[in-house]
Amino acid sequence: GQNIDQPTEMTATEGAIVQINCTYQTSGFNGLFWYQQHAGEAPTFLSYNVLDGLEEKGRFSSFLSRSKGYSYLLLKELQMKDSASYLCVAMDSNYQLIWGAGTKLIIKP
Amino acid sequence: NAGVTQTPKFQVLKTGQSMTLLCAQDMNHEYMYWYRQDPGMGLRLIHYSVGEGTTAKGEVPDGYNVSRLKKQNFLLGLESAAPSQTSVYFCASSRLPEGGELFFGEGSRLTVL
Repeated sequence: GQNIDQPTEMTATEGAIVQINCTYQTSGFNGLFWYQQHAGEAPTFLSYNVLDGLEEKGRFSSFLSRSKGYSYLLLKELQMKDSASYLCVAMDSNYQLIWGAGTKLIIKP
Repeated sequence: NAGVTQTPKFQVLKTGQSMTLLCAQDMNHEYMYWYRQDPGMGLRLIHYSVGEGTTAKGEVPDGYNVSRLKKQNFLLGLESAAPSQTSVYFCASSRLPEGGELFFGEGSRLTVL
């Protein structure tokens, strides 16, 4: 079956760095997305990786290893506003999205 | 610049009642989706549409119907609401399925008593 695994909850300190890991199993693969979702709000797009390697976008970076079925989202210089859930989403060969349950990130001062 | 708009934002129903959620997008996107989000679970696809006049079943279609009579609108109907349909519903649209990011509405919180 198709599956996404990511930690349920993580805690980090303001100003620090945190890495949120995600492993996936899909029937074929057409890319890996990360979305951010603040409590009570809709998900918003953060990144998309389809090739192996690191994509950097400001304080956020996303990494993909297709051979390992693995991705991570790296958040630097954490701010209180980064407190949110981070959703890992894989796209299979039929362009269907498989959503992880999300990692709730708690930032402490 | 509205993006994706959902109405209503909140709704309380009694078991057996019917209702329709409306989704409208002004980005001329071909693809539109209805998801539900429940605690501890990933987003689950209810129905989707790849263009005006087309609809298809997603992962959890039972108890729901949809229509896409106009490109900009995607309606989700509950014919006979059940407590198991208590959830937050999100509409989303995208330009392309491959690599295309999804743009979400603000969500509709439905409670079925």
